[in-house]
Amino acid sequence: SQQGEEDPQALSIQEGENATMNCSYKTSINNLQWYRQNSGRGLVHLILIRSNEREKHSGRLRVTLDTSKKSSSLLITASRAADTASYFCATDPDNNAGNMLTFGGGTRLMVKP
Amino acid sequence: DTAVSQTPKYLVTQMGNDKSIKCEQNLGHDTMYWYKQDSKKFLKIMFSYNNKELIINETVPNRFSPKSPDKAHLNLHINSLELGDSAVYFCASSFMNTEAFFGQGTRLTVV
Repeated sequence: SQQGEEDPQALSIQEGENATMNCSYKTSINNLQWYRQNSGRGLVHLILIRSNEREKHSGRLRVTLDTSKKSSSLLITASRAADTASYFCATDPDNNAGNMLTFGGGTRLMVKP
Repeated sequence: DTAVSQTPKYLVTQMGNDKSIKCEQNLGHDTMYWYKQDSKKFLKIMFSYNNKELIINETVPNRFSPKSPDKAHLNLHINSLELGDSAVYFCASSFMNTEAFFGQGTRLTVV
């Protein structure tokens, strides 16, 4: 199975509501990152949280990291229709196997106006 | 001013052919990657290369091979294309495993 797995696979909310997506991983990490992908486009980096950090904010985004549970969450507050996209977590494994930034399956978020 | 550019954007080809996808980054990054995104949107790491070391995902068939003429380029060569190779292929680059910048993707269709 994959190093990063997002939950839920799909999420539909109304504009103005908050959206929470979760990511679980299996091995120790150096950092965890969240990316966004609009339909038909490449991925865009949103935020990076290091293994010694527990929470990080960027605008309407809030990311938490629990290394004991090997999980992270991405919260988008006051969602907008333009937030509709797929969101992926990616992990940088701390396994001395070289640089292999590994992604999960993504959460498809739909924000209805 | 495109940070990571890959060509072509679309590629339609017949089974058994050999094809290449080019990737260039102008960010001065030390690490480049190739990812495959299937129809279910799952992103699979194929290769990671940092001009010293090539890391290969062991599940990638040896019909796929990356070629790096210099630090700014990592091209993907695919031999004997199969139907199952149809997917969107993304090139990306970063400093080590920090923020990665992605190209717009190449949609490969094998018929």
